Amino acid sequence: KAGVTQTPRYLIKTRGQQVTLSCSPISGHRSVSWYQQTPGQGLQFLFEYFSETQRNKGNFPGRFSGRQFSNSRSEMNVSTLELGDSALYLCASNLQLNTGELFFGEGSRLTVL
Amino acid sequence: GQQLNQSPQSMFIQEGEDVSMNCTSSSIFNTWLWYKQDPGEGPVLLIALYKAGELTSNGRLTAQFGITRKDSFLNISASIPSDVGIYFCAAPDKYSTLTFGKGTMLLVSP
Repeated sequence: KAGVTQTPRYLIKTRGQQVTLSCSPISGHRSVSWYQQTPGQGLQFLFEYFSETQRNKGNFPGRFSGRQFSNSRSEMNVSTLELGDSALYLCASNLQLNTGELFFGEGSRLTVL
Repeated sequence: GQQLNQSPQSMFIQEGEDVSMNCTSSSIFNTWLWYKQDPGEGPVLLIALYKAGELTSNGRLTAQFGITRKDSFLNISASIPSDVGIYFCAAPDKYSTLTFGKGTMLLVSP
């Protein structure tokens, strides 16, 4: 069974640009969550989607957005990139809601110059 | 928001030693989870705890859900080099969103 797949794995952008990250969950998983990981702040929740609907959103500015498609694949977008957006963006899927038992992808490492 | 205070921040031990780490909070939780992250990978779930006082093992790993529901502990026995990584505690808030501790970095010397 394939795991959670995130693309791209690495990318470099400059300030002011925008970026779109993609996540394919494990087959059959309908819930997808996104987390930002930085050395200073650790793992911080961005948003969660289930059946194409955003269930929860973390404390991030409106420049961070996401969506989920009917096949459960998800994308997140960051507009007007800032240096502080440099981070590892992790996507996770789970089979059952409300258990906390997440399956993470390897992440997309974004560097903003 | 809720904070999980994880300690120690890092540990450097010899192969074969036992390891203990813990996670505390001022909030009460109904679930505690422990994840491990290897370099260049995403976190992987090690153990999930759903009941106060529960003690659960996964191989050489043993985790406990504190009786006050405000803390959890993870022990690793007879450590080996592949135990190297960052260990995170996590707990879901009332919206079922996971909050993570800052992690304990474990280094094991052969």
